[in-house]
Amino acid sequence: EIVLTQSPGTLSLSPGERATLSCRASQSVSSSYLAWYQQKPGQAPRLLIYGASSRATGIPDRFSGSGSGTDFTLTISGLEPEDFAVYYCQSYGSPWTFGQGTKVEIK
Amino acid sequence: QVQLVESGGGVVQPGRSLRLSCAASGFTFSSYGMHWVRQAPGKGLEWVAVISYDGSKKYYADSVKGRFTISRDNSKDTLHLQMNSLRVEDTAVYYCAKKDTDGYNPGAFDIWGQGTMVTVSS
Repeated sequence: EIVLTQSPGTLSLSPGERATLSCRASQSVSSSYLAWYQQKPGQAPRLLIYGASSRATGIPDRFSGSGSGTDFTLTISGLEPEDFAVYYCQSYGSPWTFGQGTKVEIK
Repeated sequence: QVQLVESGGGVVQPGRSLRLSCAASGFTFSSYGMHWVRQAPGKGLEWVAVISYDGSKKYYADSVKGRFTISRDNSKDTLHLQMNSLRVEDTAVYYCAKKDTDGYNPGAFDIWGQGTMVTVSS
């Protein structure tokens, strides 16, 4: 079973700053079946990135994903007020596993 | 529009059963695998179960294997999760989610329902 470890647990930043979130897998993620989700309080998760680097429909280009193998990164190039939320990475190549999440909070 | 709506949550005693449903609309339900994902209060996301587009393949998390059963009715565009022998640790919001690729290809979860709360308590 793949274990995904996200870091940091919490990221305190100001609007306009760049956010860099890490997701490390315990073993190689096949064919880059790695996704990122955003979740705000009281809401369902929203798909941001799939295939490690492809943006989902309607996702602004300030969100970008990169990486392969065991190391993946989600970058938000300039934080907007609506981007403060919890972010999860996920391996979806069977088994299906989520990281524990990174909270991006306003500094 | 593409939508998933869960129902069936509630408060139940340990050891009892509950059946969740997820009504799909706005897409060809019978072409896509479907998942259940849960989130305990204040915790992260936990994948629960998946069913293939045709219902022929089903997989479960170890934490629910043997107790939960995923099923689907493609004639009614509905997904189900039968939860038996419920435990306090099953308390969570349960989401259904659609796979973003058709057929058996692996896919991320592109559409989520709003979730339904299940509370297991004596």
